[in-house]
Amino acid sequence: GAGVSQSPRYKVAKRGQDVALRCDPISGHVSLFWYQQALGQGPEFLTYFQNEAQLDKSGLPSDRFFAERPEGSVSTLKIQRTQQEDSAVYLCASSLARGKTNEKLFFGSGTQLSVL
Amino acid sequence: GNSVTQMEGPVTLSEEAFLTINCTYTATGYPSLFWYVQYPGEGLQLLLKATKADDKGSNKGFEATYRKETTSFHLEKGSVQVSDSAVYFCALGTYGNKLVFGAGTILRVKS
Repeated sequence: GAGVSQSPRYKVAKRGQDVALRCDPISGHVSLFWYQQALGQGPEFLTYFQNEAQLDKSGLPSDRFFAERPEGSVSTLKIQRTQQEDSAVYLCASSLARGKTNEKLFFGSGTQLSVL
Repeated sequence: GNSVTQMEGPVTLSEEAFLTINCTYTATGYPSLFWYVQYPGEGLQLLLKATKADDKGSNKGFEATYRKETTSFHLEKGSVQVSDSAVYFCALGTYGNKLVFGAGTILRVKS
């Protein structure tokens, strides 16, 4: 596709439910990032993939958060046993290069997760 | 650790007014600096960037200069338009292209 695609656009979950958020990066992009954006705040880094390898997961807030990118393209962010504090917009971004500090990131529109 | 602080909004201006959004950073090493913009209903998109001290990034009439001595990267535009209404995020890029964002500044431009 032309850009980074995320689905679903909105997700409402009951507390304790598991959720899975999908990201389709731009074709051919090597690097993929997940960010969490709380209301009124800037995005915060969660995890980074280079192809299928998860090189950095230092931003994942707990072991309830798990991300994968098994074939180096589509990525899934899974949150188990959701809590109210997980409510946020989850952003996916991709870039062509392998972890250069000045490389442009292309962001999706995000998935807005509301945990009731 | 690395952090970015930007001025709180919302900033409300009339069309053709001069815009400044302040951004300062704390970082180890020599990060790249970015401004990203989020228009209503759209994803974040890169507005401009600078990769080393004294570099000026520019795009769509917006400018920002990487000032190492003041650890700043203030965003400026000489004459804003209604279409510039958006949320603006200052960010720094660290190893692996991991971005650290500021909290964002809402800009509202009135006709």
